[in-house]
Amino acid sequence: RKEVEQDPGPFNVPEGATVAFNCTYSNSASQSFFWYRQDCRKEPKLLMSVYSSGNEDGRFTAQLNRASQYISLLIRDSKLSDSATYLCVVTDAGNNRKLIWGLGTSLAVNP
Amino acid sequence: DARVTQTPRHKVTEMGQEVTMRCQPILGHNTVFWYRQTMMQGLELLAYFRNRAPLDDSGMPKDRFSAEMPDATLATLKIQPSEPRDSAVYFCASGGTGVRLFFGEGSRLTVL
Repeated sequence: RKEVEQDPGPFNVPEGATVAFNCTYSNSASQSFFWYRQDCRKEPKLLMSVYSSGNEDGRFTAQLNRASQYISLLIRDSKLSDSATYLCVVTDAGNNRKLIWGLGTSLAVNP
Repeated sequence: DARVTQTPRHKVTEMGQEVTMRCQPILGHNTVFWYRQTMMQGLELLAYFRNRAPLDDSGMPKDRFSAEMPDATLATLKIQPSEPRDSAVYFCASGGTGVRLFFGEGSRLTVL
């Protein structure tokens, strides 16, 4: 079993739709959690950190459920420019500077 | 706008040749990471450095790969000899005091 698992998709949604991605992680001792975004043939870029209390950044909402060991990302009012791969990332339980990456969920927002 | 710089952006080489990839981390960042990305495996950590000292290279095939930081402005990843299975995108990333990583644009390697 992979340490960080994501549904690879692709998720195909129309503009304006709300879409949600989930991610599960295996090590309950992981401390920090993130969503990165990667555009086709580009480098990953931090989208947002994920906190236990949940956090929102504009149209994006991230939530963490430590008991169930899953992380979610909700995108409201999706735009064409949201089309990308979304990577779920957790820190290694023994080393908070070492990141463990999911394979990513592909999102295509269609006009 | 500070950014991580990687060279070369693209490299096509033949099996058995030596490949060297270079990375200039963001000035002031004290951690540097080398990742390899393939469709099947996603992002795999090959090596990472803190204050130029190698801290973890357990993800790197030791027989052919080597990573160094000769100074604070340069990190290198070398493959010798290269094999077709090494074909991938190699990313360098740097980080400062926080956990956030800043990635370079990657070096796309094709080994024929």
